[in-house]
Amino acid sequence: QKEVEQDPGPLSVPEGAIVSLNCTYSNSAFQYFMWYRQYSRKGPELLMYTYSSGNKEDGRFTAQVDKSSKYISLFIRDSQPSDSATYLCAFHTGGFKTIFGAGTRLFVKA
Amino acid sequence: DAGVTQSPTHLIKTRGQQVTLRCSPKSGHDTVSWYQQALGQGPQFIFQYYEEEERQRGNFPDRFSGHQFPNYSSELNVNALLLGDSALYLCASSLQGAFSGANVLTFGAGSRLTVL
Repeated sequence: QKEVEQDPGPLSVPEGAIVSLNCTYSNSAFQYFMWYRQYSRKGPELLMYTYSSGNKEDGRFTAQVDKSSKYISLFIRDSQPSDSATYLCAFHTGGFKTIFGAGTRLFVKA
Repeated sequence: DAGVTQSPTHLIKTRGQQVTLRCSPKSGHDTVSWYQQALGQGPQFIFQYYEEEERQRGNFPDRFSGHQFPNYSSELNVNALLLGDSALYLCASSLQGAFSGANVLTFGAGSRLTVL
């Protein structure tokens, strides 16, 4: 079983749609849950991180963590063409390395 | 405020050659991590440097080595290149000692290595 599972997509939605991106994980030692966004030919940039189960909101973005199900989600409201990118879930145990999912490619059509 | 800078941006090598990639961390950051990102995959942890020492290594062979300098900049060296080493090599910096429990990373744009 892979430590992190993330559907690679691609996911194509119309502008204004609500987008749901998801990851499952198997390592109970993960304490920090993150989402990074990566535009083409760029490095990943941190969107959101959370420590506990529950929801965290930042503008149009909401990160959700369910530790009991080992499942995390990122919701994007009112999606824009500028949101077209690859979204990487990422996990951290509090040590030195971050473990990334394979990334989901998102296309938002104008 | 300059972010993480990497050089070169692109390079082409042949099998068996050696390559050195360079990274300058974000101003104020003291920790550098290197990741390999194959096409269509997420970044894979190679190693992390802090206080000029390798703190942790991922599942990569000894052909991959690194160095951190007193000014916190870093190099990644790969010897005896294989075709499978073709990837985007990402440098990420962070600040040890702040609330770094999440090890929030600031990435550079990467060095794209092609091995022929």
